Order: sequence, then structure tokens, then C-alpha cells
Amino acid sequence: DAGVIQSPRHEVTEMGQEVTLRCKPISGHNSLFWYRQTMMRGLELLIYFNNNVPIDDSGMPEDRFSAKMPNASFSTLKIQPSEPRDSAVYFCASSLGDGSSYEQYFGPGTRLTVT
Amino acid sequence: KNQVEQSPQSLIILEGKNCTLQCNYTVSPFSNLRWYKQDTGRGPVSLTIMTFSENTKSNGRYTATLDADTKQSSLHITASQLSDSASYICVLSGGSYIPTFGRGTSLIVHP
Repeated sequence: DAGVIQSPRHEVTEMGQEVTLRCKPISGHNSLFWYRQTMMRGLELLIYFNNNVPIDDSGMPEDRFSAKMPNASFSTLKIQPSEPRDSAVYFCASSLGDGSSYEQYFGPGTRLTVT
Repeated sequence: KNQVEQSPQSLIILEGKNCTLQCNYTVSPFSNLRWYKQDTGRGPVSLTIMTFSENTKSNGRYTATLDADTKQSSLHITASQLSDSASYICVLSGGSYIPTFGRGTSLIVHP
């Protein structure tokens, strides 16, 4: 298996623009997680999907952030409008079950820079 | 509030030396503890996983220990190699389906 696939790997955009990050989880995994990582705060969970349904989005910072999972093999994280403080590395991870009992497999991340 | 505190924040050692990274946690209840290795520019990769009843787990030159009474874990790296340079993240999973991540220890191994 190719592992978790994320695109793009790098994104540079101007403040106010819309940004869409994409993720393809490992085939057969039924849980998907979006994380944000910064030097100051480390890894933060943004949203957790189980069987394509959002279970917990309490980590989504504000209404500018939205995530969808239209099917078991694809998810998007959208930021609109983007702000410089959104600059971070965004990881997608998938697992066979919930994030507590099952190992999460992380993608390579998308490094987002908002100028 | 569930917390995971790691120390030191950063560490520099010479190739071939041993080192120990620390993780203190307040997560309760507690089901398992994982150590992840994150290379620069990559996503975290699991090194070890221990349940509440285990007190040691090895993966090659990596050995993790767990003291559930004091709520402390350590990751010991033996005979360090340049490829061990990375960030090491301690992750606790308790009753919630969402794990709690430490902020990591940045290890640099110099030749």
C-alpha cells in the first residue's frame, strides 16, 4: 500500500485566498484525522471522521476551516479565507478504528505558507 | 485536563552515545502509550506501543519503559546513529477516542 497520500506537499498563498488540502487514506481504514502542527503548539487535532462521518470537529479553529469526506478514499480540508496565522504543516492520518485503540498512520503533510 | 509533558525539549548527542527521553502524563483513564519518531519533513511513525499492564517494550535500539504508578514513560536509544536525528513524540490514549500528544523532544545526533 502507498500509505496515506496528501497533496499538495507545499502550498504558498496570499492572505485572503482559499486553500484546499487533500488526503487519500489507506484503503480499508475507516477513521481519518486532520492535524495541524506548529513549533509553538505541536500537533493539534482539527477533526476526526469515522466511516466518512465527522465525529468531532471541536479542534477546528474557526468557521474559516471546513472539512469534508465524501467517500472512504478522499477527504479535503479547506481554509477560506486564509490568514498568515494559518501557516503550519497539516497532516492527515488514518486508522482501522478510533484514535485510541488503533495506530494512526500519518501522511507526509502539507506545508502551508500564507503571506 | 489531560496533559503530556516531554523533556528535554531538545537534545544534542554524539554518534554512538546512548540517551533517554522522558514523558510525564496526567491522562486518566489510560489505555496505551505510544512513542512516535518524526523525521524532518515527514509524518510521525510509530516506534512502540505499550498497554497499561506493560512496563517495557523494545524495537531494535529503541526501548520504551512505562511506570503507571508515577505516570512516567521513557524512551531509551542505544548506540545512537545519525539517522536517529528526529523529533520523538509521546502519545497517550485514554478513555476518549482522541489521543493526547506531547510536543516532542528534538534529538540531534552529531558525528
